[in-house]
Amino acid sequence: DAGVIQSPRHEVTEMGQEVTLRCKPISGHDYLFWYRQTMMRGLELLIYFNNNVPIDDSGMPEDRFSAKMPNASFSTLKIQPSEPRDSAVYFCASSFFSWGTGELFFGEGSRLTVL
Amino acid sequence: GQQLNQSPQSMFIQEGEDVSMNCTSSSIFNTWLWYKQDPGEGPVLLIALYKAGELTSNGRLTAQFGITRKDSFLNISASIPSDVGIYFCAGQLGNTDKLIFGTGTRLQVFP
Repeated sequence: DAGVIQSPRHEVTEMGQEVTLRCKPISGHDYLFWYRQTMMRGLELLIYFNNNVPIDDSGMPEDRFSAKMPNASFSTLKIQPSEPRDSAVYFCASSFFSWGTGELFFGEGSRLTVL
Repeated sequence: GQQLNQSPQSMFIQEGEDVSMNCTSSSIFNTWLWYKQDPGEGPVLLIALYKAGELTSNGRLTAQFGITRKDSFLNISASIPSDVGIYFCAGQLGNTDKLIFGTGTRLQVFP
């Protein structure tokens, strides 16, 4: 069974450019999460979806960040315009139940560098 | 925001030694989980704890959910080189769906 699939694995872009990160959750999982990992702040929850509906986006840093889940098998995290401080590894994770009763399955991450 | 204080930040040990790390918080959690992250990978769940006082083992790993529900520890016995990585605790706050991650403990094992 394929795990959570993220793309791209690495992206280098210039400040001001639009960045789109993609995620395909594990089939049958009804929760999807976007996390950001940096040395300074560790793993931060940005937003999560249940059955394609955004439940909590209070972790999204600012209006430059947006996330969508148009169907059960695809989600995007978009940064427009990007800034150097957005450089981080962005993880997507999915689960069958909410994390109180199940486990999160993480993708391999998308490493973003904004110059 | 909510914080999980994880310690130590890093550990450098010799193969065969036992390891202990812990997480504390000022908040009460319903669930404690321990994850391990290998370089270039996403975190992978090691152990999940669902009840205060619960002690759970998974091979050489043992974890406990503190009685106060504000702390948890993870022990690794007889460490081996493949134990190298970053270990994260994570807790689910009561009455919410939020999972908060600790800052991580970086483990290095020398042969």
